[in-house]
Amino acid sequence: TQLLEQSPQFLSIQEGENLTVYCNSSSVFSSLQWYRQEPGEGPVLLVTVVTGGEVKKLKRLTFQFGDARKDSSLHITAAQPGDTGLYLCAGALGSQGNLIFGKGTKLSVKP
Amino acid sequence: ETGVTQSPTHLIKTRGQQVTLRCSSQSGHNTVSWYQQALGQGPQFIFQYYREEENGRGNFPPRFSGLQFPNYSSELNVNALELDDSALYLCASSFQITSGRAYNEQFFGPGTRLTVL
Repeated sequence: TQLLEQSPQFLSIQEGENLTVYCNSSSVFSSLQWYRQEPGEGPVLLVTVVTGGEVKKLKRLTFQFGDARKDSSLHITAAQPGDTGLYLCAGALGSQGNLIFGKGTKLSVKP
Repeated sequence: ETGVTQSPTHLIKTRGQQVTLRCSSQSGHNTVSWYQQALGQGPQFIFQYYREEENGRGNFPPRFSGLQFPNYSSELNVNALELDDSALYLCASSFQITSGRAYNEQFFGPGTRLTVL
């Protein structure tokens, strides 16, 4: 059973389109992080959200943490080919030291 | 500021062999976590080291073991390699105030690609 469900698993869009990636769980997380990973490389941290209902923006990327801290979304406005990659959400449970990862959303943005 | 580094980049081993992977944590960080990422999957937590002691372990058998050194660098050792151990092994460093409290903004290295034949 996957603790963190990400959807969609694959997404192929044209440059300029908007998209939203979802990360859902039945568990409550103390914090949630979004990463972007290129093939053969380690994940790169994009943002950390901690407070329920929190919204953070990073240029064209908007991240939201659900009010109950069980889910999160990543919205990209006017996607560009440079946004192509694997987007991973990862949650921290209570005081545990590890992160629980979703399977990721593989995004392809075509010029 | 020096980021997280891992060595080697790639490694090919045969079944039954043993392997040691190395990680240097980011400057100022005291905690290292190891993850295994199979093809098409998200990373899976192996274990974490804080102040040279194991501070949490995922669902991995005892043949996966580790060490953390006084300079906070770390090693992951895998004995009796199996074909399913083929994966990208990721090291992440973070800063924790105590062993039980994890804000957990973790920064990852580039990974070691292990292939078991």
